[in-house]
Amino acid sequence: EADIYQTPRYLVIGTGKKITLECSQTMGHDKMYWYQQDPGMELHLIHYSYGVNSTEKGDLSSESTVSRIRTEHFPLTLESARPSHTSQYLCASSDTTGLDNSPLHFGNGTRLTVT
Amino acid sequence: GEDVEQSLFLSVREGDSSVINCTYTDSSSTYLYWYKQEPGAGLQLLTYIFSNMDMKQDQRLTVLLNKKDKHLSLRIADTQTGDSAIYFCAETSNTNAGKSTFGDGTTLTVKP
Repeated sequence: EADIYQTPRYLVIGTGKKITLECSQTMGHDKMYWYQQDPGMELHLIHYSYGVNSTEKGDLSSESTVSRIRTEHFPLTLESARPSHTSQYLCASSDTTGLDNSPLHFGNGTRLTVT
Repeated sequence: GEDVEQSLFLSVREGDSSVINCTYTDSSSTYLYWYKQEPGAGLQLLTYIFSNMDMKQDQRLTVLLNKKDKHLSLRIADTQTGDSAIYFCAETSNTNAGKSTFGDGTTLTVKP
């Protein structure tokens, strides 16, 4: 069962459009992450958050931005999409209680194509 | 920085055992994970091992950890066609603010 939801699953848009990829989780997790997965299947961390009003850039530079106004919601926005943004975007969350380094729970991803 | 490496492809016959290997560089890794990704889906946690353990078994899955050599393996017994997927090794450590570092993924193909 999916406790972390991403919408839309697939998105095809034209260059220059503004888009927001949605991610919500119902597990009350403090930590949330956005990964970009390229065709070679490597995962690149582009943004993360350790709680409300906390956002950090990840290891891979990205032109996207994120916000964390509510614990359960971590949307990613591209102000002006370009073909180089074509990729799969995976959202994940993890718990801060229990294990110090808890495993990640992933959504099913949004496959974005920019034409 | 931290690095995690895996071989990219593995092909086995149905019923055989599969062994997927992973090496990592961070000597302060606290947890090591195996995730499975099926086509069109996100990653799903398969199993994890704490760094002070050297083996963990869960039904058909056996994880072996050689901390001295920084080598992790995942053995799948009696591999089935439904096991065909991409398998990611990942590690977390307190030196990386608890963030996970992923390998590039091993594509497992199971032939009938």
